[in-house]
Amino acid sequence: GQQVMQIPQYQHVQEGEDFTTYCNSSTTLSNIQWYKQRPGGHPVFLIQLVKSGEVKKQKRLTFQFGEAKKNSSLHITATQTTDVGTYFCRGQGNLIFGKGTKLSVKP
Amino acid sequence: DSGVTQTPKHLITATGQRVTLRCSPRSGDLSVYWYQQSLDQGLQFLIQYYNGEERAKGNILERFSAQQFPDLHSELNLSSLELGDSALYFCASSAGGAGELFFGEGSRLTVL
Repeated sequence: GQQVMQIPQYQHVQEGEDFTTYCNSSTTLSNIQWYKQRPGGHPVFLIQLVKSGEVKKQKRLTFQFGEAKKNSSLHITATQTTDVGTYFCRGQGNLIFGKGTKLSVKP
Repeated sequence: DSGVTQTPKHLITATGQRVTLRCSPRSGDLSVYWYQQSLDQGLQFLIQYYNGEERAKGNILERFSAQQFPDLHSELNLSSLELGDSALYFCASSAGGAGELFFGEGSRLTVL
């Protein structure tokens, strides 16, 4: 199946700084999903992107799907301590998640 | 609350033993997925069932088996347990093969 690579694996930021995680595939994805897992919690669905070049926003979170539908990014503006967790991407129909980016935020 | 129920939440057992983890999917969801997450690791896909039939298999050990029953609940059986099997086991469900996954809170297995 399609594999997705996520970078970076870890990101430490100061509260108020921005954060971006990237998800890359070697093949075209029909869509991509993003999930967040808080420490000690379970993954929770954030969003699904379907269209080439699509951009969606959820408050301080901005999700983009590349024009070629092979990559995606999640950008958080002005991080807060509540953003702490691991962010996973998943290509549609793909049973395998990216390895995730673990975000820590220093107050 | 995702609507996916997993039991037990915590389980401590010894090496060589066998355990069964149970998952009740969200009402109406036909697909059930099992994932293993070791400490600070990603989500390792184990197996997927759709409406009672095995749909896909990942890196599931031969010591592990699963099934989905007519009422759509699923069980993951882990036998001849080893220390390395200690992990968080998540069940997720979805309406079909696509769409978002709804995860349960997980079953934390500790093998001593």
